[in-house]
Amino acid sequence: GAVVSQHPSRVICKSGTSVKIECRSLDFQATTMFWYRQFPKQSLMLMATSNEGSKATYEQGVEKDKFLINHASLTLSTLTVTSAHPEDSSFYICSAKRLAGADTQYFGPGTRLTVL
Amino acid sequence: GQQLNQSPQSMFIQEGEDVSMNCTSSSIFNTWLWYKQEPGEGPVLLIALYKAGELTSNGRLTAQFGITRKDSFLNISASIPSDVGIYFCAGQEPGNQFYFGTGTSLTVIP
Repeated sequence: GAVVSQHPSRVICKSGTSVKIECRSLDFQATTMFWYRQFPKQSLMLMATSNEGSKATYEQGVEKDKFLINHASLTLSTLTVTSAHPEDSSFYICSAKRLAGADTQYFGPGTRLTVL
Repeated sequence: GQQLNQSPQSMFIQEGEDVSMNCTSSSIFNTWLWYKQEPGEGPVLLIALYKAGELTSNGRLTAQFGITRKDSFLNISASIPSDVGIYFCAGQEPGNQFYFGTGTSLTVIP
């Protein structure tokens, strides 16, 4: 159990377009989902924390209007990168924390975003 | 946000050798987690620790939650080539915030 999926796994888009990334917990309900960004050979950088039915909490320095997060259900959170630019190119990873049981984060496989 | 001190930053070892890495924090944690990440993939949970002093194994992997609640270590015994990857620790504060280590890159030479 505890499988998290992300879609798409890779996306290439033109500068100025918006890209939506989905994160789903497949076999459990998640109270909280997290969105991370990872640069090559670096650790995970937390961007925001989202709780089902409420507004996401963004980390300092992360633009909430640029990285829109929606957590509409206990199994789905979406991250939309609006008006993407080349500097937004990165590996985006989501994770989910179970509604019940021990406090553990389970990660999705990540989405590689390339903005041309 | 806070990042945990994880060491070593990288390791190059011969197949069959044992590996040890650790994480330290300036604050107390309720939970320590160890993940492995391979290139182009998300981190995969290896071991979760929830009590100070807890020692947990997962195959050739063993991890311990430090008594002070400010550190944890991960050991890999008899390493094999597929152990290659980046290992991250993560700790959760009593207020629910998670923090990640800087990662240990492991290379196993056959």
